[in-house]
Parts: sequence; structure tokens; C-alpha cells
Amino acid sequence: GNSVTQMEGPVTLSEEAFLTINCTYTATGYPSLFWYVQYPGEGLQLLLKATKADDKGSNKGFEATYRKETTSFHLEKGSVQVSDSAVYFCALGGGGADGLTFGKGTHLIIQP
Amino acid sequence: DSGVTQTPKHLITATGQRVTLRCSPRSGDLSVYWYQQSLDQGLQFLIQYYNGEERAKGNILERFSAQQFPDLHSELNLSSLELGDSALYFCASSVEGGTPKEETQYFGPGTRLLVL
Repeated sequence: GNSVTQMEGPVTLSEEAFLTINCTYTATGYPSLFWYVQYPGEGLQLLLKATKADDKGSNKGFEATYRKETTSFHLEKGSVQVSDSAVYFCALGGGGADGLTFGKGTHLIIQP
Repeated sequence: DSGVTQTPKHLITATGQRVTLRCSPRSGDLSVYWYQQSLDQGLQFLIQYYNGEERAKGNILERFSAQQFPDLHSELNLSSLELGDSALYFCASSVEGGTPKEETQYFGPGTRLLVL
């Protein structure tokens, strides 16, 4: 079946540091890939997505590239802010499954 | 704000009881999905409805059921509740009932259920 693996953290960085959150997946076929963010006390918000190999999703300074050869969709940001503190979920859609398949989530803490 | 609303925000109940969670999709969205977020299982897909009809089933227990009404709001019914049902329940919606590969799902703020 489908699966998504990501580091769980917490990941603690200083403000303006470079961020990478790794995400790898297992799926049949050609799924779409997503990053969702969950701020404290809130629901999931779509951060970015990519629907085919080599696509780059980007939003609010975050980027992720759909790498089929390494089955990865790593999230990056060049300079993080305190307001980026949240839980980040990597997810895939498709691959023969109904519903989205989520990773366990990565708790990101940015210190001033 | 995604435009998806869920009520209530919090729910506390006892084992053996039954509760109903409500979701209103974004305006114009025909499809509703339910997910459960628990500490041990993470985020899991439960069930999808499209325009009033069940479209897909995930890891939904037999004690749980859902429906979507003509005005497109959906309810998730949880019965014979157990301690392990304590979780955050999310509703999501999308425009059509396409596959998760094709369509972006927009999530509500969730209902936090605590079973004592």
C-alpha cells in the first residue's frame, strides 16, 4: 500500500536558518504530492502541491520538488521565521488509494 | 480560513455513548471527506461522500457512520465510544469527487473528541 515517511522532530531552528524537512513516499503509479501545515489549535492548510515528476510547488517562500527517481518531496525554505512554527505534513494522493495518505508530521520550532 | 466549517469544536463524552460531528463544505464543493487524527495512528482517511452518495471508504470502524445531506453538509456518527476513539476529527471538501491525485482537499478546523 501507499506510505509516506517524514522526520517527526521536533526540529528546532533559529530564525533566518535554512529549513529542510525530508519526505519520501511509496506508491503505485504516479501520485500527487502535498505539504500541509497545521498551526497550533488550527486545522490543516494546504501549503503547496505538485502533480507530476519534476514539478516544483511553492508558496510563502516554501518549495518542494517532486523527485520520482528518489521518491521524495522534501520541503525547503531559505530563511525561516518564528511564525513558521507549526506541524508540517507530507501527503500523497492517488496511488490507487482513496483519500490522502499522510506522514506522521514534523513539529517545527523556530526560536528568535 | 479554508471555508470548511465544523461543529462542535470540542466534545467530551463517556464510553459507550454516541456523538454526531457536523461539517459544512466550502461553498460549491460537492465532496466531503472525513479523517481521524490520533497520536498513535496519525492522520487516517475514514470516508468520502460525493453529492449525497458514499464514494469511498477508508479505515472506518463499523461503529462509525456518515451521511451527506441534500444541502451538502455531512455528519459523522460515532457510537459505542471507546477511550481509543479520542482524537481530532477533520472534515475536508473538494469541488468534485475526483481522486485525491486530481483534486485538492481543503480542511476544516476539526472537532476534538475526548472520551472519558
